[in-house]
Amino acid sequence: DAKTTQPPSMDCAEGRAANLPCNHSTISGNEYVYWYRQIHSQGPQYIIHGLKNNETNEMASLIITEDRKSSTLILPHATLRDTAVYYCIVRPGGGSQGNLIFGKGTKLSVKP
Amino acid sequence: DSGVTQTPKHLITATGQRVTLRCSPRSGDLSVYWYQQSLDQGLQFLIQYYNGEERAKGNILERFSAQQFPDLHSELNLSSLELGDSALYFCASSTPQGSLNTEAFFGQGTRLTVV
Repeated sequence: DAKTTQPPSMDCAEGRAANLPCNHSTISGNEYVYWYRQIHSQGPQYIIHGLKNNETNEMASLIITEDRKSSTLILPHATLRDTAVYYCIVRPGGGSQGNLIFGKGTKLSVKP
Repeated sequence: DSGVTQTPKHLITATGQRVTLRCSPRSGDLSVYWYQQSLDQGLQFLIQYYNGEERAKGNILERFSAQQFPDLHSELNLSSLELGDSALYFCASSTPQGSLNTEAFFGQGTRLTVV
């Protein structure tokens, strides 16, 4: 079973920041938080991952709370193309990153 | 484009038949993973191969099998197909040699319809 809890759906206005929360209260010390998204039955796409520090890349920012029990994915300026299901996944670091346990994710709808 | 290639994109077959899905990983990736996505089950991990050897098994049925060849491409074989096997099948690859903590890259999937 997935070790994360996410809201089933969220809306965001185009051009605004989308903040997607994730709870992972049972996360272990060696487990990372990964975010993927899936746009309409396409293959899941990696977004970002982190251990305990906040991370930023060209797609998004990841904010992890100090106790590591929750995190927030931030899309700074959402566009219509960001409409997708977003998955928050907790897994150990190291090799074999593909062995991912997907939950139901959050369906983000970006509206004009 | 993730660099992972899956063929065919669509497949329609009858119950009881056998099909083979093919995956070419990104250049240099040693690990290949197979996932099944059906409407009621979501994305389910099936099996992982690393450099030709089975590394991890998930919820893969006995009617299903996979292998990874010396050139690192992989095939997923589905036999005695049932209506419930209709799903999207995704392949992912990761772990370039010498790297740790890299993300997985997914192909665009094969949509299997069993009629």
